[in-house]
Amino acid sequence: EAGVAQSPRYKIIEKRQSVAFWCNPISGHATLYWYQQILGQGPKLLIQFQNNGVVDDSQLPKDRFSAERLKGVDSTLKIQPAKLEDSAVYLCASRTFGLNQETQYFGPGTRLLVL
Amino acid sequence: AQSVTQLGSHVSVSEGALVLLRCNYSSSVPPYLFWYVQYPNQGLQLLLKYTTGATLVKGINGFEAEFKKSETSFHLTKPSAHMSDAAEYFCAVTGSGYSTLTFGKGTMLLVSP
Repeated sequence: EAGVAQSPRYKIIEKRQSVAFWCNPISGHATLYWYQQILGQGPKLLIQFQNNGVVDDSQLPKDRFSAERLKGVDSTLKIQPAKLEDSAVYLCASRTFGLNQETQYFGPGTRLLVL
Repeated sequence: AQSVTQLGSHVSVSEGALVLLRCNYSSSVPPYLFWYVQYPNQGLQLLLKYTTGATLVKGINGFEAEFKKSETSFHLTKPSAHMSDAAEYFCAVTGSGYSTLTFGKGTMLLVSP
């Protein structure tokens, strides 16, 4: 079974530029998460999708961050414009739906550096 | 609301020694508890989890953890450290259903020869 795929793996941009990250979850997984992991900290949830609907985006900085999952499969996370403090690893995770399916499976992450 | 505290940002052990990584949680609902490992430049890999049932859970690579409700703890142990265990370890908590994972800040495990 293929894991969660993310691209690009690394991205360097200047502040005020825009950037987009892509995630392809495990096939059949209805729930998709985007996390931000700042150096030295644990991952922090940005947004959670159930199929193509948003379940939780309470910690997403909506003035600059946006995310979509149009067909309930792939997802894109965008930052526009980027700030220095957005430098982090952005992790995508997915989970199947149903009882006793609580495990989230993580992709390798996209490492973003904002200069 | 849920939270996780991992005691010690860095833990150093010698190869062959006992590994003990501490995790305490706070949860307003019965918790599901997880330990994930992260190797450099990689995503998080599940080591083990507790949902219900037996409080001592065994995971991959010889790791195990015990859920102690009275102590609100879920410490991770391994009897004998191996060089390949050097990585960062994250404890996380969630409730059931659509609840999100709340992670601790992580503990870096250093293993010396």
